[in-house]
Amino acid sequence: DTGVSQDPRHKITKRGQNVTFRCDPISEHNRLYWYRQTLGQGPEFLTYFQNEAQLEKSRLLSDRFSAERPKGSFSTLEIQRTEQGDSAMYLCASSLSQGPNEKLFFGSGTQLSVL
Amino acid sequence: QKEVEQDPGPLSVPEGAIVSLNCTYSNSAFQYFMWYRQYSRKGPELLMYTYSSGNKEDGRFTAQVDKSSKYISLFIRDSQPSDSATYLCASFSGGYNKLIFGAGTRLAVHP
Repeated sequence: DTGVSQDPRHKITKRGQNVTFRCDPISEHNRLYWYRQTLGQGPEFLTYFQNEAQLEKSRLLSDRFSAERPKGSFSTLEIQRTEQGDSAMYLCASSLSQGPNEKLFFGSGTQLSVL
Repeated sequence: QKEVEQDPGPLSVPEGAIVSLNCTYSNSAFQYFMWYRQYSRKGPELLMYTYSSGNKEDGRFTAQVDKSSKYISLFIRDSQPSDSATYLCASFSGGYNKLIFGAGTRLAVHP
């Protein structure tokens, strides 16, 4: 399977714990995005990388959230001191930057439940 | 006001019906529009991609853009139970680096 891969698919954690998610993009894609989706809502942009550089972060991304993409390959999203409001599906997408013809391909997401 | 608005549904139709899904947008700078299909517990999957006003057809799916009224539509002909999913419209904001989604419309096609 050469699509976007996310791990784990599900994560249950207690409030206050730290969690880390991993995303492996399509190999030739230079852009990688993180989105968050809650029930009944569309995905909301969190941040994106072009190669290893993090170029934009949403106001939704509080100080407890950090994302990295070392060497411009896979990416990790860490949430520190989780809160119940962090419960959501965290989606990763990758693309080949090509201006207006850019197409994002999504992984199946990591479903986070904070108890 | 959200930049992309969608009626959340749910929309329930019989198999074989023609389905019309709609979005409105507020940002005149939006020029490129996408429709994604999302099955339960899966990530969104790109279905259609359109640029200019007018229609674009792909099999049973037709995407329509009316920039004068900031209205985009997706039509599904001969709908099938396998079309049951949430349909998300989206457009690029700020220099093609941030895809903005509507809330999605949940569609159920019953046999």
